[in-house]
Amino acid sequence: DARVTQTPRHKVTEMGQEVTMRCQPILGHNTVFWYRQTMMQGLELLAYFRNRAPLDDSGMPKDRFSAEMPDATLATLKIQPSEPRDSAVYFCASGVGDTRYGYTFGSGTRLTVV
Amino acid sequence: SQKIEQNSEALNIQEGKTATLTCNYTNYSPAYLQWYRQDPGRGPVFLLLIRENEKEKRKERLKVTFDTTLKQSLFHITASQPADSATYLCALAHSGGGADGLTFGKGTHLIIQP
Repeated sequence: DARVTQTPRHKVTEMGQEVTMRCQPILGHNTVFWYRQTMMQGLELLAYFRNRAPLDDSGMPKDRFSAEMPDATLATLKIQPSEPRDSAVYFCASGVGDTRYGYTFGSGTRLTVV
Repeated sequence: SQKIEQNSEALNIQEGKTATLTCNYTNYSPAYLQWYRQDPGRGPVFLLLIRENEKEKRKERLKVTFDTTLKQSLFHITASQPADSATYLCALAHSGGGADGLTFGKGTHLIIQP
């Protein structure tokens, strides 16, 4: 089965450090999403791309978060500087234009900022 | 404001019975609704999609209904099994093509008792 691959699976970092999370979407999927999940807020949409172009990043704190898709096989989410409130599980998901098939999520990156 | 509400309390069902989960929404006019399953430490997995002009959709032991008048979707698992224990999330698309991403409810934790 095709998979969305996220690295790293776990990351513990000190407040103020830069964090980079990576995602390899499924080959042929033209839409990539970044979500954040916490117990309090559930799944929140941070940003998404279609055909590598950013469509919406209104869910992201702009001053510290940035999302890019340098090529069709890699999406990145950076936090600089990181803060304890950024601790969460970050999911990448990919899909095709026909949403009958839903989106395929990666296993997530669990980020802990201390 | 827009809201998606799922029962936050865990739902305990005896094995073999039908489990019914509810998703209510306000201030949305979704083109379609999706249901996902999430297991601990994993990303959500797509189960079913139902469009606004469809009343019911089935897949094996799963059935989803969508009532745009009541602004509600019901998710049924018939002949439930302990392996069905998981958190189930409903998600709404903002627009017809899903190009704007999905907004998720916080999920209902389902426990199937042997």
